[in-house]
Amino acid sequence: KAGVTQTPRYLIKTRGQQVTLSCSPISGHRSVSWYQQTPGQGLQFLFEYFSETQRNKGNFPGRFSGRQFSNSRSEMNVSTLELGDSALYLCASSLVGLAGNTIYFGEGSWLTVV
Amino acid sequence: KQEVTQIPAALSVPEGENLVLNCSFTDSAIYNLQWFRQDPGKGLTSLLLIQSSQREQTSGRLNASLDKSSGRSTLYIAASQPGDSATYLCAVVNNNAGNMLTFGGGTRLMVKP
Repeated sequence: KAGVTQTPRYLIKTRGQQVTLSCSPISGHRSVSWYQQTPGQGLQFLFEYFSETQRNKGNFPGRFSGRQFSNSRSEMNVSTLELGDSALYLCASSLVGLAGNTIYFGEGSWLTVV
Repeated sequence: KQEVTQIPAALSVPEGENLVLNCSFTDSAIYNLQWFRQDPGKGLTSLLLIQSSQREQTSGRLNASLDKSSGRSTLYIAASQPGDSATYLCAVVNNNAGNMLTFGGGTRLMVKP
């Protein structure tokens, strides 16, 4: 079965612009989480959605937002991009969103802000 | 606040060696611990998931142990191969934290032929 799919894989944006990243979870998975990975900070949790509701949120500014649709697909948006937002953004999905389920990651979206 | 540390940060070994990667966490109130592998420029691949009530999990040449009370986990790789070269990450899910993973900084492993 298909894994977690993220689009686009690579993108370059200019400071001040906004960006939307998309994530399609594994079929049947209802929990979708987003993570930011940078060389300096490592992997950091952004937010988690379950059944279209944000259940957890990490320590990121309000410029970072997300949503989940009824088919469990999720999008995250970053407004007013800063150079420091350059990172690999990873989406993860799990079956029912309960701790105890294996979490599966996508290949990520590489964002470069210039 | 949960903190996860992985030692060593980098490791280089000759092919065929058995090796141990270490992971420690500060808050023992975890629900589970998961080990991942990340190849350069790629996403994460789940290797092993250990529930808080379990002591170890095995998959092929990999064995992960968990000592929740001391806040430690180890990933044992037997008979290492060049294809095992990657970054290995451990992550924990705390109780009452949904599915939020707290990651360690990773161990970058190179297995030389």
